Amino acid sequence: DVKVTQSSRYLVKRTGEKVFLECVQDMDHENMFWYRQDPGLGLRLIYFSYDVKMKEKGDIPEGYSVSREKKERFSLILESASTNQTSMYLCASSLQGPTDEQFFGPGTRLTVL
Amino acid sequence: GNSVTQMEGPVTLSEEAFLTINCTYTATGYPSLFWYVQYPGEGLQLLLKATKADDKGSNKGFEATYRKETTSFHLEKGSVQVSDSAVYFCALSDPGGSYIPTFGRGTSLIVHP
Repeated sequence: DVKVTQSSRYLVKRTGEKVFLECVQDMDHENMFWYRQDPGLGLRLIYFSYDVKMKEKGDIPEGYSVSREKKERFSLILESASTNQTSMYLCASSLQGPTDEQFFGPGTRLTVL
Repeated sequence: GNSVTQMEGPVTLSEEAFLTINCTYTATGYPSLFWYVQYPGEGLQLLLKATKADDKGSNKGFEATYRKETTSFHLEKGSVQVSDSAVYFCALSDPGGSYIPTFGRGTSLIVHP
């Protein structure tokens, strides 16, 4: 069974902390994505990666960075967490083509106090 | 640019009622179209897709037809169940662009017994 896993389902951090969200896929997919999901706003793309060590900014990259050192792993980093980064974070992966579906992880609900 | 517009929710139905969730899109090329479903507490998963005009995607009793002339991909189900309560996302992937999917904001469906 294909799988995208995220390191935590729930996370509580304090303002100013550095936060790491990890995502691992076991499908040998080229593309990986980080989204945040907020009520009324749907999914917003933070960053994506189409290959190891490659990354591109999405719609809302400010306050975030990413790392992809291995094909199966894509990390989202909040350098200095702020309360407005409280959200649900979803990781996804896909093959290369435009007809290829995305596979999503279960999400990490991050609360920044 | 590309965009996806979905009807706002929540949509509230009784069990066995007919469901339609409207989705229209704007794209520069000939996109692939998707419906994803998000059950409570989970990530998104693909429900169905269509890759060219007049294609019909179907799964679990849900159907959607790719209508190029009306740029629509409406989701339908003849008889909903309580277990269909979820958030439904329409999405497109444009091969003329970057292959990054564009998502609608999601439509919440609540089915009462």
